[in-house]
Amino acid sequence: SQQGEEDPQALSIQEGENATMNCSYKTSINNLQWYRQNSGRGLVHLILIRSNEREKHSGRLRVTLDTSKKSSSLLITASRAADTASYFCATVSISSGSARQLTFGSGTQLTVLP
Amino acid sequence: EAQVTQNPRYLITVTGKKLTVTCSQNMNHEYMSWYRQDPGLGLRQIYYSMNVEVTDKGDVPEGYKVSRKEKRNFPLILESPSPNQTSLYFCASSPQESYGYTFGSGTRLTVV
Repeated sequence: SQQGEEDPQALSIQEGENATMNCSYKTSINNLQWYRQNSGRGLVHLILIRSNEREKHSGRLRVTLDTSKKSSSLLITASRAADTASYFCATVSISSGSARQLTFGSGTQLTVLP
Repeated sequence: EAQVTQNPRYLITVTGKKLTVTCSQNMNHEYMSWYRQDPGLGLRQIYYSMNVEVTDKGDVPEGYKVSRKEKRNFPLILESPSPNQTSLYFCASSPQESYGYTFGSGTRLTVV
């Protein structure tokens, strides 16, 4: 079953603008990760934020995590046409056993117009 | 180069003909996982493995088998493929649960 729901499903912005994508999840997590996927290709890991962290930065990316609301956001600043892709959040849940799974959200399709 | 290698990239097969999609990683990662991606359904986990000889079902394991006899390899086996297994498949690996996953380039499978 899908852990996360992402909002919006699609986002279209002009080059240079900021893009914000949101992710909500259902269960308690160990960490939350964001991935990018260019059309039909493999996913690329962008950033990981642990459950005890509230904000993390990597280059033009800023991720926030609110475990009380079970939500996260990904901000891409000064977007470029090359940022056009689908973006997925994924969570590692705390399960009853030792096994932990990475479960993906539904994704946001970002289009950056030149 | 650190990578996850899947083969084949594309495969068309007929219903019922057993097939194996191979996955190999050269990063000495403990965790490996298989996903399928379908339009409107996103990425769903099929099986995952935390180490050699340790595997567990994901969300959609029916019709699939896996094995982890060596740390680097995690093949996905379809004993009797059916058309509803037509999908884009990804293998991924990670050193441990608190790290991101490295994904393969994908295998596009069509079962007719």
